[in-house]
Amino acid sequence: DQQVKQNSPSLSVQEGRISILNCDYTNSMFDYFLWYKKYPAEGPTFLISISSIKDKNEDGRFTVFLNKSAKHLSLHIVPSQPGDSAVYFCAANYFGNEKLTFGTGTRLTIIP
Amino acid sequence: DTGVSQDPRHKITKRGQNVTFRCDPISEHNRLYWYRQTLGQGPEFLTYFQNEAQLEKSRLLSDRFSAERPKGSFSTLEIQRTEQGDSAMYLCASRPWGGDTQYFGPGTRLTVL
Repeated sequence: DQQVKQNSPSLSVQEGRISILNCDYTNSMFDYFLWYKKYPAEGPTFLISISSIKDKNEDGRFTVFLNKSAKHLSLHIVPSQPGDSAVYFCAANYFGNEKLTFGTGTRLTIIP
Repeated sequence: DTGVSQDPRHKITKRGQNVTFRCDPISEHNRLYWYRQTLGQGPEFLTYFQNEAQLEKSRLLSDRFSAERPKGSFSTLEIQRTEQGDSAMYLCASRPWGGDTQYFGPGTRLTVL
């Protein structure tokens, strides 16, 4: 039972353009969402998060949008840079639950 | 401020052997987590400590797995009688009291031959 889904295994984007990574969830209890970036042979690095009381959160080039009615969130990276090439994981949990539930990841490749 | 550290980074063992991994969380993070990641999947939760108390264990954590955090600082994860299906990346994360974000270490990659 995949409660967090990332339906695009891979995405290629030209350098300087916008990268949009998508994530869907099924558990209505989820109220906190995170995006992690992972390079090969390294652990996930925290990028940005959003609470369900918001629908948008920005941090520099990264913006996360949350659509609670559609149970959908997206990560926008503008402008995309070669160093952004990595696997991106969406994760979710809810108040009182310590366990993060992850999606299967999207491999982003930025083309110079 | 150093991040979460894990040791070793890589471990190759033969089926049936025991292995032990260590995790040092970020200083003063009272919550510590273990996850496992296999190829093509996201990390999956194994267990969680608040200080020295192990408060939650996943069904993934069979009786061959044991985790400890004896003094509420570093933690160890032991796998007894390893099987080829145990081959994975084992990730440790920590979170401070009052914080929402789990910060991950570099992981230990286990290969069981």
